[in-house]
Amino acid sequence: EAQVTQNPRYLITVTGKKLTVTCSQNMNHEYMSWYRQDPGLGLRQIYYSMNVEVTDKGDVPEGYKVSRKEKRNFPLILESPSPNQTSLYFCASRGRRNEKLFFGSGTQLSVL
Amino acid sequence: GQQLNQSPQSMFIQEGEDVSMNCTSSSIFNTWLWYKQDPGEGPVLLIALYKAGELTSNGRLTAQFGITRKDSFLNISASIPSDVGIYFCAGQLNYGGATNKLIFGTGTLLAVQP
Repeated sequence: EAQVTQNPRYLITVTGKKLTVTCSQNMNHEYMSWYRQDPGLGLRQIYYSMNVEVTDKGDVPEGYKVSRKEKRNFPLILESPSPNQTSLYFCASRGRRNEKLFFGSGTQLSVL
Repeated sequence: GQQLNQSPQSMFIQEGEDVSMNCTSSSIFNTWLWYKQDPGEGPVLLIALYKAGELTSNGRLTAQFGITRKDSFLNISASIPSDVGIYFCAGQLNYGGATNKLIFGTGTLLAVQP
């Protein structure tokens, strides 16, 4: 089954403790992206990657890092999480010429 | 970053009622998309629109690409309880290939009373 898999689904952590949210897709998609969803603000893009070793900032990249060492994986790294990064995070992917984004099921992060 | 203005922010309706929501932008787009997010899940594409003035249906859903290319509308007829969720519009400028960027609206929360 074609899917985007994120882990974990829920995460509670404390300020300053490094964490990684993993994302994997099995559709051989070139493009992958991370979004955060906040009430009243919709989905805002954090980082995206057009292919292996090619990443770029989205609209709200501060406080986040990403890497794309393999085509299927696109982890989101928070080196020193802060409470304003409490949010619902989505990973998404699509093929090179296809605008249809496939989303993961989301990761609800709470930073205390 | 740019965001799209989506309205209404939320709707609470009775089963069987029709629903209308819209999305406006200060910029023009080449493509308009409508997504639905079920509770506890990621957004799923409902309808894609590629041409100004285009009207496209998907079952009880109908969406239109505004003539000015700066807006889009989504209508749901005869709503049912499983229509509950958050609906997002998204606009895209097609630069070609993987560089296309989607700008999402702020979302419309729909609740349907059985």
